[in-house]
Amino acid sequence: KNEVEQSPQNLTAQEGEFITINCSYSVGISALHWLQQHPGGGIVSLFMLSSGKKKHGRLIATINIQEKHSSLHITASHPRDSAVYICAAFIINTDKLIFGTGTRLQVFP
Amino acid sequence: DTAVSQTPKYLVTQMGNDKSIKCEQNLGHDTMYWYKQDSKKFLKIMFSYNNKELIINETVPNRFSPKSPDKAHLNLHINSLELGDSAVYFCASSLQLAGTSTDTQYFGPGTRLTVL
Repeated sequence: KNEVEQSPQNLTAQEGEFITINCSYSVGISALHWLQQHPGGGIVSLFMLSSGKKKHGRLIATINIQEKHSSLHITASHPRDSAVYICAAFIINTDKLIFGTGTRLQVFP
Repeated sequence: DTAVSQTPKYLVTQMGNDKSIKCEQNLGHDTMYWYKQDSKKFLKIMFSYNNKELIINETVPNRFSPKSPDKAHLNLHINSLELGDSAVYFCASSLQLAGTSTDTQYFGPGTRLTVL
């Protein structure tokens, strides 16, 4: 079992829907990273967070350290949000970074 | 203005060869990284390089060696290439070391390496 699990693996939505992608981890972490990989392969760093909540445009990331869980929300989803979303956890007191297997999101018009 | 650039974009080579992938960032960042994305699209960090301190993922074979001529460059040298090295390699940079800060990382476009 991977120390970082994402759900769902695949997600389809209609344009305008509210999207939630979950990331759970089983180890202590110092920070959690959300990444977006476009269909063309390019990777964009969305958020790096260690507590609370961060917002950027229509994207919101939250983390609950006690529950070892983070969520990425997309409000008013759009077809251009179609991508693979990946979370990665920095393991506390180590140099280790463990990636989730990604969530493939497709938003249809 | 490209923030993080990599060359080449594609690299096809024979097994056993030695090759290099170059990475440059013009953001003035102190930390650079190399990531590997395998055929199943699974990402793995290979190296972090911060102010001349190299942090290695212990699972990376010693055929892979990062070389940083200056703060803006982190090149990846691979010796004795093997079939399993075929992957997309991404370079990235951030102001401070990820995990110790929440600075954004900026990724290069990737280099697709194919070993025949």
